[in-house]
Amino acid sequence: DQQVKQNSPSLSVQEGRISILNCDYTNSMFDYFLWYKKYPAEGPTFLISISSIKDKNEDGRFTVFLNKSAKHLSLHIVPSQPGDSAVYFCAASASNYQLIWGAGTKLIIKP
Amino acid sequence: DAMVIQNPRYQVTQFGKPVTLSCSQTLNHNVMYWYQQKSSQAPKLLFHYYDKDFNNEADTPDNFQSRRPNTSFCFLDIRSPGLGDAAMYLCATSIPSGGAETQYFGPGTRLLVL
Repeated sequence: DQQVKQNSPSLSVQEGRISILNCDYTNSMFDYFLWYKKYPAEGPTFLISISSIKDKNEDGRFTVFLNKSAKHLSLHIVPSQPGDSAVYFCAASASNYQLIWGAGTKLIIKP
Repeated sequence: DAMVIQNPRYQVTQFGKPVTLSCSQTLNHNVMYWYQQKSSQAPKLLFHYYDKDFNNEADTPDNFQSRRPNTSFCFLDIRSPGLGDAAMYLCATSIPSGGAETQYFGPGTRLLVL
């Protein structure tokens, strides 16, 4: 049973445009959500997080939106840059140490 | 810079030959994790330590063991590697924050089993 779902295996976006990566979850006990970025042959790099008491968190070009009623979160990257090409993982936790991961979305930024 | 370090970055072993992967951290975090990641799948948690308390995931094979001699170091021992154990092994750390823990990952060790 996948508790965290990233339904788009890949996404292609023109450089300079907005990239929107989506994530859905089923467990209403999740209270902390994170986005990680992963380049090939490297470990995941923490990007941005959001607590369930908020609906938006912004850090530079990255913004995460949380819609608790829809159990949906999204990561917006604007403007998209070539270095943003990577696999993006959504993860969630329910006040414990275990992260539940989505399957990842491969973002390709086209020049 | 504070960081999570994994050595070696690439490890080749033979089928059935024990191998040890190492992780160290300068973040002084209480919690350390070992994950297995295959291809571009999501990382799979093997076990974690809260200080010296060891927590094994229910589906982690007995073939995988871990040691944490002190706060800074953690080791993953694979007693008899099989071909299916070829993967990227990731170490991560976090500090308890009332449920809002962010895990910080090392660069990973890619294990190849011949």
